[in-house]
Formats: sequence, C-alpha cells, structure tokens
Amino acid sequence: GAVVSQHPSWVICKSGTSVKIECRSLDFQATTMFWYRQFPKQSLMLMATSNEGSKATYEQGVEKDKFLINHASLTLSTLTVTSAHPEDSSFYICSARIGLTGELFFGEGSRLTVL
Amino acid sequence: KQEVTQIPAALSVPEGENLVLNCSFTDSAIYNLQWFRQDPGKGLTSLLLIQSSQREQTSGRLNASLDKSSGRSTLYIAASQPGDSATYLCAVRDDYKLSFGAGTTVTVRA
Repeated sequence: GAVVSQHPSWVICKSGTSVKIECRSLDFQATTMFWYRQFPKQSLMLMATSNEGSKATYEQGVEKDKFLINHASLTLSTLTVTSAHPEDSSFYICSARIGLTGELFFGEGSRLTVL
Repeated sequence: KQEVTQIPAALSVPEGENLVLNCSFTDSAIYNLQWFRQDPGKGLTSLLLIQSSQREQTSGRLNASLDKSSGRSTLYIAASQPGDSATYLCAVRDDYKLSFGAGTTVTVRA
C-alpha cells in the first residue's frame, strides 16, 4: 500500500512554544490530506482537511489560529500547534487520500506532550 | 450527521477462533467504508476498503461485508492469531468526511 510518513513521532515541549508536525506522502501525490486528533481510548476526531494550494477547512470547534495547517506541495502538509498548552497534549495523526480509489492511508502519528 | 458504532468495544478469544467485528452507521448515503487496524500508540493501517457499490472485499484471512441499506458492515478474521491483537476501527466516508467508530479492541490469547 501507499506510504505516509509523519514526523516527529513524539515531541515534548514547554507550554507557550509552537510545534510543527510534518505529513508526507512518499510514493504518491495527495491533493487532499486530513489531520486527526485522538485522545486516549477514543476514536479519531477530524480536525481539518488540507488541500494543496488552498486554505484548510477546519471542523467546528477547532481553532484555526491555534492549529495552523499548510499544504505547500502535493506530498507535504504541516500542522503547527501554536502557543501549545497542556490541554493540547494528544496524539495527532495525518492521512492522505489516493484520488482514484478514495482509500486513505495514515501516518504513524505524533504524540505531543506539553509540559 | 453520520454516526458510526462498533460493537463490542472489546473482545477476547483463544487462538484459532474466528473473529467477527461489527460496524453500523446511521446514514446509508456513503461513498465507501474502510476497516483499519491500530496498534497501541501507532497510526492506522488500512485493512480493507469497500466501495458503496460493492458487497464485500477479501484479503487473506480478512473478509469484510457491506450492507448499505441496513447500515452495517462486518469484518471477519479467520483463524485468529496472537498477532491479530489490536484495535480495529471502521470508518465511513460520505461526500465530505470520514466518520470513525470508537473501535473494537481484540485480544487473541495464545
């Protein structure tokens, strides 16, 4: 199957700092990527849809100024958690969709801990 | 709003037994349904994708069925192995987004 690489896999930061998470499709081009958040023992919650060359579409309740998404190329989307606080600590997962089948492939996830 | 339910939430079986995982959804106007596996602390691995026009998909020991009219999908895993222990998630895609169930955590006892 297609490969989606996410980096870093885990990060610890101080409250008030910003953290950038990268999501790359390694062997295919993805015009659309998705960012999810997952709390312990819960399912994934869609945060935003990232479209190459245009602004991301955020789900209701997700602060777009806090979670900055940039989809600069057909193989890279980034999520920046700005001025992170302990309540932002979570597991963030990206996915990319292959256009022909609509199948989604997911990155390995990034665990963010804000102290 | 699409709601996806997975029952049971957890399942423990002895090695060799067949697994049956259920997924139900409220809005039958779906584009496709996908089954994933998630290991603790890891991302999701795609297992099977069923398009709305299909009734089932098979891959090795895995078989997934889709009954769109009743809003149900079932994932069958034949002859379970300890390595099958994981959380299994189903996700339903409509025109706009993917909605996930909460998952079924499977433990296969050796």
